[in-house]
Amino acid sequence: EAQVTQNPRYLITVTGKKLTVTCSQNMNHEYMSWYRQDPGLGLRQIYYSMNVEVTDKGDVPEGYKVSRKEKRNFPLILESPSPNQTSLYFCASSFEGARNQPQHFGDGTRLSIL
Amino acid sequence: AQSVTQLGSHVSVSEGALVLLRCNYSSSVPPYLFWYVQYPNQGLQLLLKYTTGATLVKGINGFEAEFKKSETSFHLTKPSAHMSDAAEYFCAAINSGGSNYKLTFGKGTLLTVNP
Repeated sequence: EAQVTQNPRYLITVTGKKLTVTCSQNMNHEYMSWYRQDPGLGLRQIYYSMNVEVTDKGDVPEGYKVSRKEKRNFPLILESPSPNQTSLYFCASSFEGARNQPQHFGDGTRLSIL
Repeated sequence: AQSVTQLGSHVSVSEGALVLLRCNYSSSVPPYLFWYVQYPNQGLQLLLKYTTGATLVKGINGFEAEFKKSETSFHLTKPSAHMSDAAEYFCAAINSGGSNYKLTFGKGTLLTVNP
């Protein structure tokens, strides 16, 4: 089954404790992206990657890092989480050159930073 | 920069009534347009999309949307609401050019269906 898998689904942690949210897709997609969803703001892009070792900032990259060492994985790293990063996070993927095709989304990761 | 506006953060309809969720985009070059639905504690599921061709597009669960270039709109409709349609709906746009396939989302519309 084609899917985007995020882990963990839920996490409660404390300020400053480094955490990583993993994202893996099994569709051989080149393009992957992270979004955060906040009430009343919709989804906003954090980082994206066009292919292995190619990443770039989205609209709200502050406080986040990403890496793309393998095509299937695109982890989101919070080096020193703060309460304003409490949010619902989604990973998405699609084929490069297929912007007219819908992106596939994971089920989301709900982070609470205390 | 591209922007997407959804008019009405909350829409309430009776079961069996018409559903109309409004979406307007900002770019002068028509983007590709999508409607996604999000059920509680779930990810985003594609309802329908417009890229080129026929301006009236049909999606899943009886939803359809019409692309109107002159009005820069892509409103979502369903003739008869069902209780299972209660969810949050997002309109999204992606530019037809450029190096980032970023989806620009509206702020979402929460649809409530009353019995």
